Amino acid sequence: DQQVKQNSPSLSVQEGRISILNCDYTNSMFDYFLWYKKYPAEGPTFLISISSIKDKNEDGRFTVFLNKSAKHLSLHIVPSQPGDSAVYFCAASAAGGTSYGKLTFGQGTILTVHP
Amino acid sequence: DGGITQSPKYLFRKEGQNVTLSCEQNLNHDAMYWYRQDPGQGLRLIYYSQIVNDFQKGDIAEGYSVSREKKESFPLTVTSAQKNPTAFYLCASSIITGTSGRMSGELFFGEGSRLTVL
Repeated sequence: DQQVKQNSPSLSVQEGRISILNCDYTNSMFDYFLWYKKYPAEGPTFLISISSIKDKNEDGRFTVFLNKSAKHLSLHIVPSQPGDSAVYFCAASAAGGTSYGKLTFGQGTILTVHP
Repeated sequence: DGGITQSPKYLFRKEGQNVTLSCEQNLNHDAMYWYRQDPGQGLRLIYYSQIVNDFQKGDIAEGYSVSREKKESFPLTVTSAQKNPTAFYLCASSIITGTSGRMSGELFFGEGSRLTVL
């Protein structure tokens, strides 16, 4: 049962344009969402996060939007740069109980930014 | 430099053999985790530990074992009972915040260990 889904396995954009990566979730207990970036043969690195009490969080070129009613979040990268080419993972965690410390990850989306 | 060190980076194993992957962190984090990455499946949690001498099963613990004898170390043993062990294994750590023990939300990952069973 995939509780966090990234339905686009890959995305290709031109340098300077906007990249939009999407993520859907099914567990209504999720209250904290994160995006990680991963280069080949390396561990993921944290990019940006958002709490369920917000609908937008911005950090430089990266903005995450959360639509709780649709159980959907998206990561916008503007402007996209070739160095952004990587695999992007969406992750979520639920409040309380034995769920603390556990992140549920999506399958990942491969972003390629062309010069 | 603070960080998480995984070794070995690449490992080959014959079927029926146990193998242990090392994970060491000097970030003074309380919590440590093991994830497995397979193509098209994202990262799945194997085991995690929030305190020395204590650990919990994740979503896919069968065929794996861990120990947490020291705060800095969280080795993972892939046993012969693991039916499909070929994968990329990632160790991570995080701080624990608040009275509920909630993680900060940010995991710090090692560079991973790629295990191939021949």
